[in-house]
Amino acid sequence: NAGVMQNPRHLVRRRGQEARLRCSPMKGHSHVYWYRQLPEEGLKFMVYLQKENIIDESGMPKERFSAEFPKEGPSILRIQQVVRGDSAAYFCASSRGTVNTGELFFGEGSRLTVL
Amino acid sequence: AQSVAQPEDQVNVAEGNPLTVKCTYSVSGNPYLFWYVQYPNRGLQFLLKYITGDNLVKGSYGFEAEFNKSQTSFHLKKPSALVSDSALYFCAVKVITGGGNKLTFGTGTQLKVEL
Repeated sequence: NAGVMQNPRHLVRRRGQEARLRCSPMKGHSHVYWYRQLPEEGLKFMVYLQKENIIDESGMPKERFSAEFPKEGPSILRIQQVVRGDSAAYFCASSRGTVNTGELFFGEGSRLTVL
Repeated sequence: AQSVAQPEDQVNVAEGNPLTVKCTYSVSGNPYLFWYVQYPNRGLQFLLKYITGDNLVKGSYGFEAEFNKSQTSFHLKKPSALVSDSALYFCAVKVITGGGNKLTFGTGTQLKVEL
């Protein structure tokens, strides 16, 4: 039973380019959460999605960031026109849809470096 | 709004000694509380959770945590630390009603266990 799969594990972009981070949840999980980890700041919630729906995007920056979780395929976190401040580790987590007392299962993370 | 505080950036313990990693929370309702561990360049791994019932919760790798409602605390403990316990530990909280499994994390505490 594969865990949460994230790719790429490492991504280098120049300022102004686009970054796309992908996340495949655990089998049987229909809820996906994206978190960002900056040094000295812990994990910050970004967005919570179910298939084809954004449930909570209260942690997403207003510009340049978007997320989707299509009916088929992985969830995508997209960052347009990246800036140096976007350099961080981005973690995806998943959970079962019908159990709201359950823990999150995390992927290994995607580490974005903006030059 | 819910929040978690981990007052110590780092905790140093000698191997074989007991360890405590502190966590306090603030929520406007009954909380679900979690501890996760992160090893270098890895994702977060679930350790234990408190939902309801016995205030002392036992988890993976010999860790336990005690829920104290009057002090709004959920400190992580282990009777005898191992060098392999050295990692970054996160406390997290979720309010029971709604929000799926969206968790709010503390800033993390680096545990260093030395010989």
